[in-house]
Amino acid sequence: QKEVEQNSGPLSVPEGAIASLNCTYSDRGSQSFFWYRQYSGKSPELIMFIYSNGDKEDGRFTAQLNKASQYVSLLIRDSQPSDSATYLCALQGGKLIFGQGTELSVKP
Amino acid sequence: DVKVTQSSRYLVKRTGEKVFLECVQDMDHENMFWYRQDPGLGLRLIYFSYDVKMKEKGDIPEGYSVSREKKERFSLILESASTNQTSMYLCASSLSQGYYGYTFGSGTRLTVV
Repeated sequence: QKEVEQNSGPLSVPEGAIASLNCTYSDRGSQSFFWYRQYSGKSPELIMFIYSNGDKEDGRFTAQLNKASQYVSLLIRDSQPSDSATYLCALQGGKLIFGQGTELSVKP
Repeated sequence: DVKVTQSSRYLVKRTGEKVFLECVQDMDHENMFWYRQDPGLGLRLIYFSYDVKMKEKGDIPEGYSVSREKKERFSLILESASTNQTSMYLCASSLSQGYYGYTFGSGTRLTVV
């Protein structure tokens, strides 16, 4: 059974700081990874995906993948109150397998 | 822009009723999925489909069935609604198996009384 683990949080950071969200997974053969953002009462929306080891940057977001250590992380630079949401990590295992999500709170 | 449309945003049904949740995507995606999301339990896969007329059980299929008569439409059926099926139901689609993320619909908040 493939598993994805995330700290449930809440993770609280001040406005302007870097928020670091982490995810570990059990299946060493997993190839592709996704980060979704979910605002309260809304559906998840895809914000990043990463397939290769290393970093992938998109604006204020950076996804990091380390297949040897089986973790994937999401960094949010210059965090804004509008980034406050639950962030879901998912890996592609035939179908997407989601973690429980980490709640992020950015304080003004 | 990719669109997944769920027919109802909020729904209230009585115990024992047969409930239909409809999902339509306009992106010619092969794969469609039904999840439920509950506090503390995360997203749980109910059923999925990789092709028309095809369906596969997910992690929690009991009490549910699905129908996919056309590629763009994937319906979730609660055969006899119960209060423990009160939840947020999310439909999603993806282009094909492999390196593709999912696009989610806006969700249906179902309350069974």
